[in-house]
Amino acid sequence: GAVVSQHPSRVICKSGTSVKIECRSLDFQATTMFWYRQFPKQSLMLMATSNEGSKATYEQGVEKDKFLINHASLTLSTLTVTSAHPEDSSFYICSAPRTGGYNEQFFGPGTRLTVL
Amino acid sequence: AQSVSQHNHHVILSEAASLELGCNYSYGGTVNLFWYVQYPGQHLQLLLKYFSGDPLVKGIKGFEAEFIKSKFSFNLRKPSVQWSDTAEYFCAVRGNNRLAFGKGNQVVVIP
Repeated sequence: GAVVSQHPSRVICKSGTSVKIECRSLDFQATTMFWYRQFPKQSLMLMATSNEGSKATYEQGVEKDKFLINHASLTLSTLTVTSAHPEDSSFYICSAPRTGGYNEQFFGPGTRLTVL
Repeated sequence: AQSVSQHNHHVILSEAASLELGCNYSYGGTVNLFWYVQYPGQHLQLLLKYFSGDPLVKGIKGFEAEFIKSKFSFNLRKPSVQWSDTAEYFCAVRGNNRLAFGKGNQVVVIP
């Protein structure tokens, strides 16, 4: 099946710093990628839709200046958590649909962010 | 926007027991339905999906799910579980190009 990778898998940072998370589709091109956030024992919450060549679309309640998304190419989307605080600690997961439709998405392994 | 409900977050059962995980959704339009599995330390993987046609869908590893439109449900079943089925299971519903997830079921199979 299609493969989506994320880097880093784990990151620990100090409060106030910025952290960049990369999401790559390894064997297919993705004009759209999705970023999710998962709290312990909670469902995946869609944060934003990353669109290659245009601005990301953010879900209600997600601060676009806090969570910067750049879809640099057809295989790479980055999520930057700016001025991170402890409440930003979470598990961040990206996904990408392989075909032109959205019927099946392939998920990355996730990035565990811990802000001290 | 659609919402997805999964009950009984923690399920513990013995090998060879039957498993059924409930999934109910709320959305007024056409939906696509999915079950994903996340094994310990691994990423989400698709177990099965329903788009249209036969409401009884068979997936990988002996799993199946039945779409009951009148009940807005898409329950997952496996007649006889194995220790390797220990994982977290997520129901997801796609409507209006948005994929919404349930909170998941943590399933532990005791050898």
